[in-house]
Amino acid sequence: DIQMTQSPSSLSASVGDRVTITCRASQDTNGFLAWFQQKPGKAPKSLIFAASRLQSGVPSRFSGSGSGTDFTLTITTLQPEDFATYYCQQYNAYPLTFGGGTKVDI
Amino acid sequence: QGHLVESGGGVVQPGRSLRLSCAVSGFTFTTYGIHWVRQAPGKGLEWVTLISNDGTKKKYGDSVKGRFTISRDDSENTVSLQMDSLRVEDTAVYYCARAWCNDNRCYEPNLWGQGTRVIVSS
Repeated sequence: DIQMTQSPSSLSASVGDRVTITCRASQDTNGFLAWFQQKPGKAPKSLIFAASRLQSGVPSRFSGSGSGTDFTLTITTLQPEDFATYYCQQYNAYPLTFGGGTKVDI
Repeated sequence: QGHLVESGGGVVQPGRSLRLSCAVSGFTFTTYGIHWVRQAPGKGLEWVTLISNDGTKKKYGDSVKGRFTISRDDSENTVSLQMDSLRVEDTAVYYCARAWCNDNRCYEPNLWGQGTRVIVSS
């Protein structure tokens, strides 16, 4: 199975900050890497697919980068509604696997 | 845009069975596969299973293989998850999510339901 490691597991930030979350895979994912946002008590929301492509309707302050085994989610100019937990997922090989999550709070 | 609604959750004793459903609307069902993803209380996301758009490909996570079965009914626009031999560690919120599929593969979840809660307890 491909292991996904996210860092940090949590971070504190302020509105207007730039936030970077990293995700490392134990094997090459061939770019099949997605990012999700989840708020407490809510379903996950899809943000990014294919490592860097924004899902429809996702604000442009979200961006993804990386290839192979190392990926990054960046939020420029953090907004109040961005405080949430973020997960990466590889969908190159079954079983699909998620990172452990990064909680972004104030 | 589309909509997915899970149902069938509840409280069940260990060793018993439960059947979850995912009803979809607002998009061409036969173009999309469906993932199930679960989240245990206070924990992260765990991928459970996928059925492809044409039903020919079914994949399972290691923790549910041999106990859970996914199926789809294209006439009803629903996907079912039959969960047998349930364990306490299957307790979670279960989400269904659609994924675009082509002839070669299915892709990432891109639209999620609101989830249904399953509690396995004696």
